[in-house]
Amino acid sequence: GENVEQHPSTLSVQEGDSAVIKCTYSDSASNYFPWYKQELGKRPQLIIDIRSNVGEKKDQRIAVTLNKTAKHFSLHITETQPEDSAVYFCAASIEGKLIFGQGTELSVKP
Amino acid sequence: GAGVSQTPSNKVTEKGKYVELRCDPISGHTALYWYRQSLGQGPEFLIYFQGTGAADDSGLPNDRFFAVRPEGSVSTLKIQRTERGDSAVYLCASSLKSGVYGYTFGSGTRLTVV
Repeated sequence: GENVEQHPSTLSVQEGDSAVIKCTYSDSASNYFPWYKQELGKRPQLIIDIRSNVGEKKDQRIAVTLNKTAKHFSLHITETQPEDSAVYFCAASIEGKLIFGQGTELSVKP
Repeated sequence: GAGVSQTPSNKVTEKGKYVELRCDPISGHTALYWYRQSLGQGPEFLIYFQGTGAADDSGLPNDRFFAVRPEGSVSTLKIQRTERGDSAVYLCASSLKSGVYGYTFGSGTRLTVV
């Protein structure tokens, strides 16, 4: 079945710096890749997604890139702010469901 | 409703007891998913429904876990003979169509087995 690996598990950056989180997936049939942000004690919330027919997508300070050949995708956050601190999860769709990575705890220090 | 609603928000039960967790998805969402999230981990797939039928129950850990969605809307996750290892946050999500849209998650039910 699909396996999604996410790195790093923790990431600490200074306010204003960029943050990059990377994921790899195993099943070449996966065609949809969302990213979720989860604050402590709250539900995961969709922040951006990308489909397999697109290589990059941007939404203000957030961007996602996809390399289907290498089966990896990445989340880029620019000009980080303290409110970006949270756990971020990548996911890949397979057979109608999403398989999630293990999460990255991002800490943005003021 | 406006969002995915899960009840109860917290449940403490004794080892060996039976529990039911409820999920009320967004109106019109045909796909409904159950996940389990342990501390420090990503959501782990349990089961998903497309309409009333379980399209994929491959994530259910054993036969103590069962889920239903009899009318294609509300779903109930049932756990028999609970064990301490079942303690986790159980998340429900719904989407307009399976597999091609992001989920909207509920706030989860925190299950603690003592």
